[in-house]
Amino acid sequence: QKEVEQDPGPLSVPEGAIVSLNCTYSNSAFQYFMWYRQYSRKGPELLMYTYSSGNKEDGRFTAQVDKSSKYISLFIRDSQPSDSATYLCAMILSGSARQLTFGSGTQLTVLP
Amino acid sequence: ETGVTQSPTHLIKTRGQQVTLRCSSQSGHNTVSWYQQALGQGPQFIFQYYREEENGRGNFPPRFSGLQFPNYSSELNVNALELDDSALYLCASSHSGRTNNEQFFGPGTRLTVL
Repeated sequence: QKEVEQDPGPLSVPEGAIVSLNCTYSNSAFQYFMWYRQYSRKGPELLMYTYSSGNKEDGRFTAQVDKSSKYISLFIRDSQPSDSATYLCAMILSGSARQLTFGSGTQLTVLP
Repeated sequence: ETGVTQSPTHLIKTRGQQVTLRCSSQSGHNTVSWYQQALGQGPQFIFQYYREEENGRGNFPPRFSGLQFPNYSSELNVNALELDDSALYLCASSHSGRTNNEQFFGPGTRLTVL
């Protein structure tokens, strides 16, 4: 069993839809949670960072963490074709010198 | 502020050869991490360098080694290449003094082993 599980998709939605991306994890020592966006042939780009349970909002993006259920989500409102990319969840163990553990990524396509 | 750069962009090697990949960290960053991303997978942590020393290592064999230089740039060396080493190699830089754990990734080097 992988430490971080992520539905690989692919996920295809119409423009303007609300997108929900999810990851589960098995190690309760994960303390820091991120979502990265990766366009084809590019490096990952940090979208959201949080370290506590609850919601964090930034523009059209909302990150949600539920540590009791070991579950994190990323919601994208009013999705745009430019949001088409692979979305990676990532986590850091407490005291692990910033070693990121990634999910396998969800490929999202937003259709115009 | 310059971003993370990596060279070369693409590389083709044959099994058994050795390869060196290079990374220049973002201005002001003193920590460099290397990740391997196989096709269709998330990146996997190889190791991290801070103050020119290895500061954490993932589940990779010793034939994966690295260096960090006084200007914080870094190299990843892979000896005795295997077919499974074909992947995108990503470098990420960060600053140890910041508490937000943010790491900035370069565009990667795509290595193909034939």
